[in-house]
Amino acid sequence: GNSVTQMEGPVTLSEEAFLTINCTYTATGYPSLFWYVQYPGEGLQLLLKATKADDKGSNKGFEATYRKETTSFHLEKGSVQVSDSAVYFCALRDPYGNKLVFGAGTILRVKS
Amino acid sequence: DVKVTQSSRYLVKRTGEKVFLECVQDMDHENMFWYRQDPGLGLRLIYFSYDVKMKEKGDIPEGYSVSREKKERFSLILESASTNQTSMYLCASSSTPWREAAYEQYFGPGTRLTVT
Repeated sequence: GNSVTQMEGPVTLSEEAFLTINCTYTATGYPSLFWYVQYPGEGLQLLLKATKADDKGSNKGFEATYRKETTSFHLEKGSVQVSDSAVYFCALRDPYGNKLVFGAGTILRVKS
Repeated sequence: DVKVTQSSRYLVKRTGEKVFLECVQDMDHENMFWYRQDPGLGLRLIYFSYDVKMKEKGDIPEGYSVSREKKERFSLILESASTNQTSMYLCASSSTPWREAAYEQYFGPGTRLTVT
């Protein structure tokens, strides 16, 4: 079946540090891939997405590249801010259905 | 902007009570979803609905039922609440055509349910 594996958190960084959150997936076919973010006290919101191999999604300084050969979609940001503190979820949608499969989530804490 | 609202942010219920969680979306979306969120487990799909009166089981439907009588409203029902149903419940909606690759769900703020 389809599944998503994320690096365990929490990840604690100082402001302006480089961020990587690893995400790998298992899926049949060619799924669309997503990163969602959940700020404290809020629901999830879409951060970025990629629909085919080698696509790069980007938003708010975050980037992730769809790597089919390594079945990965790692999230990166060059310089994090305190306001980036949140829970980040990697997710996939298989091409044959309309459901999303989420990873366990990674807590990011950024210190000033 | 799409808005998904949930009836309560926090709810405390006793074991055995019948619990209703309501979700309303204002963008005429066809699809609606109920998830529960637990630390270390991410989001798990309980039920979803792709049309009025239509529903499908997700990954963890046991102990839950749903109702969708109107397109904008999707209710989650705990027939007899138990302590292991203490969790954060998230509702989502989407209006993506079937099989469209770029698929986004819009989430409500969540209801934190405690069953004592």
